[in-house]
Amino acid sequence: KQEVTQIPAALSVPEGENLVLNCSFTDSAIYNLQWFRQDPGKGLTSLLLIQSSQREQTSGRLNASLDKSSGRSTLYIAASQPGDSATYLCAVTWEAAGNKLTFGGGTRVLVKP
Amino acid sequence: GAGVSQSPSNKVTEKGKDVELRCDPISGHTALYWYRQSLGQGLEFLIYFQGNSAPDKSGLPSDRFSAERTGGSVSTLTIQRTQQEDSAVYLCASSLRLQRLDGNTIYFGEGSWLTVV
Repeated sequence: KQEVTQIPAALSVPEGENLVLNCSFTDSAIYNLQWFRQDPGKGLTSLLLIQSSQREQTSGRLNASLDKSSGRSTLYIAASQPGDSATYLCAVTWEAAGNKLTFGGGTRVLVKP
Repeated sequence: GAGVSQSPSNKVTEKGKDVELRCDPISGHTALYWYRQSLGQGLEFLIYFQGNSAPDKSGLPSDRFSAERTGGSVSTLTIQRTQQEDSAVYLCASSLRLQRLDGNTIYFGEGSWLTVV
């Protein structure tokens, strides 16, 4: 069964620390992997998209890496700020699953001032 | 419009009633997706559209759920004879093209919060 797992489910860090969020997936035959942010009561905002042929993507303080062979992706957020507090979701589009994204359960992040 | 628009934003309905949820995707986006987010279940895929056709309905939980898309734009998700377990946030998303074609950015609406009492 194709699954996406995010551990830990929740994370609390002091402001200024770097955040490291993990995502693992069971099948390496993927089209792409995406990281999203969700604020309470809101929809999802796409942060970074990594194609299967890429190893990483960067946007500002965010960097996401992809290791298909080991079925892992990591989202790094440098110098965290209270405004980074949100739930971060990882989603995979698998080759065999057509066009649907399969989401992990998310990591709820709290950055304390 | 500027983003994906969903209505109603909140809906409370009695068990057994039918509900319709509407999604207005970003103009020009050919791909449209419906997801459901409920407590303890995470985000579940329901259905996607390419234009007006729905090649993959595998995520619809039962035959009480149906969806259509007309004119390659607005989509409606209909839940008949609602049950309490249907209570969830129903999220719509759109993208310029299908994910497997070129992995383009997918944009989500803020969701329709459905409560069945």
